[in-house]
Amino acid sequence: KQEVTQIPAALSVPEGENLVLNCSFTDSAIYNLQWFRQDPGKGLTSLLLIQSSQREQTSGRLNASLDKSSGRSTLYIAASQPGDSATYLCAGSSWGDKIIFGKGTRLHILP
Amino acid sequence: DGGITQSPKYLFRKEGQNVTLSCEQNLNHDAMYWYRQDPGQGLRLIYYSQIVNDFQKGDIAEGYSVSREKKESFPLTVTSAQKNPTAFYLCASSLTRTGTYEQYFGPGTRLTVT
Repeated sequence: KQEVTQIPAALSVPEGENLVLNCSFTDSAIYNLQWFRQDPGKGLTSLLLIQSSQREQTSGRLNASLDKSSGRSTLYIAASQPGDSATYLCAGSSWGDKIIFGKGTRLHILP
Repeated sequence: DGGITQSPKYLFRKEGQNVTLSCEQNLNHDAMYWYRQDPGQGLRLIYYSQIVNDFQKGDIAEGYSVSREKKESFPLTVTSAQKNPTAFYLCASSLTRTGTYEQYFGPGTRLTVT
C-alpha cells in the first residue's frame, strides 16, 4: 500500500530564496505524483502532475521532479515571494489504486 | 467557467441530525471523490465514484452515505452515526479516460456539529 510522507511539516524562508519541498513514497510502482497548494480554509489547487513515464514538470517558477527508484519527489520554488506562503501537499497513486496524500508542508515566506 | 462547486461553505448542525453536503462539477469528469481533512491528519478518503450509479467506500466510510445519480453531482450525507463529524470536507473530480487521474478540488465545506 502506498504511503506518502512530507518532511518538514513547516518551513520558513526569507523572500527571494530558492527552496525545495520534499515528498517521499513507499511504492516505486507509482502511477502519478501530484503537487497541490492549499491556502487556509480553502480547497486544494493543483500545481503540477508528473506521470510515471516523466521525470519532471515545470510551470512558471515551479519545477517538480520524480525519482521512482529512490521513492522521492521534490517541488522546487524559485525566487520565493510572500504570496507563495501556503501548505503544499503531494499525493501519489499506484496503478488502479486510490490517491494517497501526504500531510503537507506549511511554507511561510518572510517579507 | 468550468469547475467544482460545493455548498454551503459553512454548515452548522446539532448532534443527532443528518446533513447533506452538495458537490457539483461541470468538467465532464467521470470520477468524483469525497475527502475529510482534520488538523494534523491530512486528507482521508470517504467515498469515491468512477461512474454514474456506482460508488465505493474509502478508508473512513462509516457514518457517511453518498449517491451518484447524475454524472455532475455527488452529494455526501453525514449521518448521526458518524462519531466525530466536525471537519473540513473536500470534494474532487478527475477525468479517468485519459489515464492521468489528475484531481481537481472544490472549495470545501466546513461542518460544525454541536
